Amino acid sequence: GAGVSQSPSNKVTEKGKDVELRCDPISGHTALYWYRQSLGQGLEFLIYFQGNSAPDKSGLPSDRFSAERTGGSVSTLTIQRTQQEDSAVYLCASSLNVPLGTDTQYFGPGTRLTVL
Amino acid sequence: GNSVTQMEGPVTLSEEAFLTINCTYTATGYPSLFWYVQYPGEGLQLLLKATKADDKGSNKGFEATYRKETTSFHLEKGSVQVSDSAVYFCALSDRAGGGNKLTFGTGTQLKVEL
Repeated sequence: GAGVSQSPSNKVTEKGKDVELRCDPISGHTALYWYRQSLGQGLEFLIYFQGNSAPDKSGLPSDRFSAERTGGSVSTLTIQRTQQEDSAVYLCASSLNVPLGTDTQYFGPGTRLTVL
Repeated sequence: GNSVTQMEGPVTLSEEAFLTINCTYTATGYPSLFWYVQYPGEGLQLLLKATKADDKGSNKGFEATYRKETTSFHLEKGSVQVSDSAVYFCALSDRAGGGNKLTFGTGTQLKVEL
């Protein structure tokens, strides 16, 4: 079946603008994760969804960052008033989240965000 | 908190050479351990994993053994190929919050030459 898809693949924006990044997980995967990959910080966890709720938002770097998930499927990560330090590749991953074991997270290709 | 430390790259090897990429971790509880690989221009892919102490994960000729006593999960391959050139990330999962959020190392770039 189809893998995790993300859109747009590239986004260039001006400082201070808002951006929305979209993630379509693998069908049937109840768990969804956002990470970002930046030169200075490596790969960092941002937020985890189980269904439509987000029990772990501990990685969101500031209140300019928010995310939602609707219908247990598509998720949107929104960054308000973007700053240059937000420039990074934003990765989405999904998994079955099997309760008693570890489940494999499948990653999307990422959205490369550049804030000018 | 949890952390993963892996050897810095870049690592350059000749084809058929032996590969070791060191990875050590700090974690509370009993995490699962992973190696992910990112080939040029592609997304992150799971290479192998181990879920408990003394487990060995293996895939595509790569191996790593979960060593609780040394808190390590070193990646090895007996004979690398040019096609193994990629960035390798060691990671652990933490079930705090109910999910399996991953904590990654900084990545090690491997370049294999003919």
